[in-house]
Amino acid sequence: KAGVTQTPRYLIKTRGQQVTLSCSPISGHRSVSWYQQTPGQGLQFLFEYFSETQRNKGNFPGRFSGRQFSNSRSEMNVSTLELGDSALYLCASSPEGQLNTGELFFGEGSRLTVL
Amino acid sequence: DAKTTQPPSMDCAEGRAANLPCNHSTISGNEYVYWYRQIHSQGPQYIIHGLKNNETNEMASLIITEDRKSSTLILPHATLRDTAVYYCIPWDRDTGRRALTFGSGTRLQVQP
Repeated sequence: KAGVTQTPRYLIKTRGQQVTLSCSPISGHRSVSWYQQTPGQGLQFLFEYFSETQRNKGNFPGRFSGRQFSNSRSEMNVSTLELGDSALYLCASSPEGQLNTGELFFGEGSRLTVL
Repeated sequence: DAKTTQPPSMDCAEGRAANLPCNHSTISGNEYVYWYRQIHSQGPQYIIHGLKNNETNEMASLIITEDRKSSTLILPHATLRDTAVYYCIPWDRDTGRRALTFGSGTRLQVQP
């Protein structure tokens, strides 16, 4: 079974631009969550999507948004990029129902550098 | 969410057992204890979880104290590939809220 796939793996943007990151969950997983990892703040929860609906949201400004498609693939968008948005963005998927052990399956991440 | 306290770093000799402690004194009755690790520049990897009984799988063992205020992750025979940051995370998985709160974790360095 293929794991969680995130694209692109690396990207460089400049301040003020926007970026879209993509996440393909493990087949059959309907929950997708996003995390930001920076050296200063560590791993922080951004939001979670299930059945195309945002189910939970972390404490991030409105510049950070996401969506989920009917095939469970998810995208997150960051608008008006700031230097502090430079980070590793991680996506995780998990199953629901009886298959749910609480385990999250993480992708390798998308490393964003804002210049 | 319950707060956790983990030592910032630990060393372990290759082939020896690595015992990683975690204090979670404010854990609620519904929260399981999950352990993840993150090898440099990779996504976190699930290791093991438990509620109140000790658990073992192919990767590790988890010992939870009777009062559930602390736990210890045991890697029985550490290898160089176990060098990583280990996170202890109390989590009520039954709320449907897939929002893990990662603390600072313990950076385990396995020495040859």
